[in-house]
Amino acid sequence: GEDVEQSLFLSVREGDSSVINCTYTDSSSTYLYWYKQEPGAGLQLLTYIFSNMDMKQDQRLTVLLNKKDKHLSLRIADTQTGDSAIYFCAESGNAGNNRKLIWGLGTSLAVNP
Amino acid sequence: NAGVMQNPRHLVRRRGQEARLRCSPMKGHSHVYWYRQLPEEGLKFMVYLQKENIIDESGMPKERFSAEFPKEGPSILRIQQVVRGDSAAYFCASSPGQGGNEKLFFGSGTQLSVL
Repeated sequence: GEDVEQSLFLSVREGDSSVINCTYTDSSSTYLYWYKQEPGAGLQLLTYIFSNMDMKQDQRLTVLLNKKDKHLSLRIADTQTGDSAIYFCAESGNAGNNRKLIWGLGTSLAVNP
Repeated sequence: NAGVMQNPRHLVRRRGQEARLRCSPMKGHSHVYWYRQLPEEGLKFMVYLQKENIIDESGMPKERFSAEFPKEGPSILRIQQVVRGDSAAYFCASSPGQGGNEKLFFGSGTQLSVL
């Protein structure tokens, strides 16, 4: 079945870049998403990429998509302590809509001063 | 403009009781989605509703679970005769309408604990 995998933990120093990786199995995915969850808060959509793109940049965030390897990454430049959160990768499958997103387990990012 | 509001934040029930989880979508949003996050698992889609209609309930367990989104008031996810395996975080999301890539706005979730 469809599956999304992420490493569970990442620790970086403040000011360094963070790279969070994700692999997925559904090659027909139309959209791939990154969500952020801060403690006690809901999920916040950070960014998304359409499957015919291989890169998207939005301020400190860079998303890279390798469709051949089914690999998605999120790079956060100049990581700050406020970036500490759980980051979820999700893919839309072939429905092209987001109600049935397939989610990873989330990567817990710890930013050390 | 308030975000998606879920209540309660934490709900404790004994086995066999009923659990009611409420979700008020963002103002102007007519589409509501419920997701469940079981321990050690990712979020799983449960149900998608529009006002007074269930559009897709393919992720809902066949028994004990029901959802509604009445014309007035919040969306309700109802779990009858809860069992320990129902313990999870339940997230609600809303969007303004159905499109190719509607942004979902999530609530903070309800943590259900079944004793």
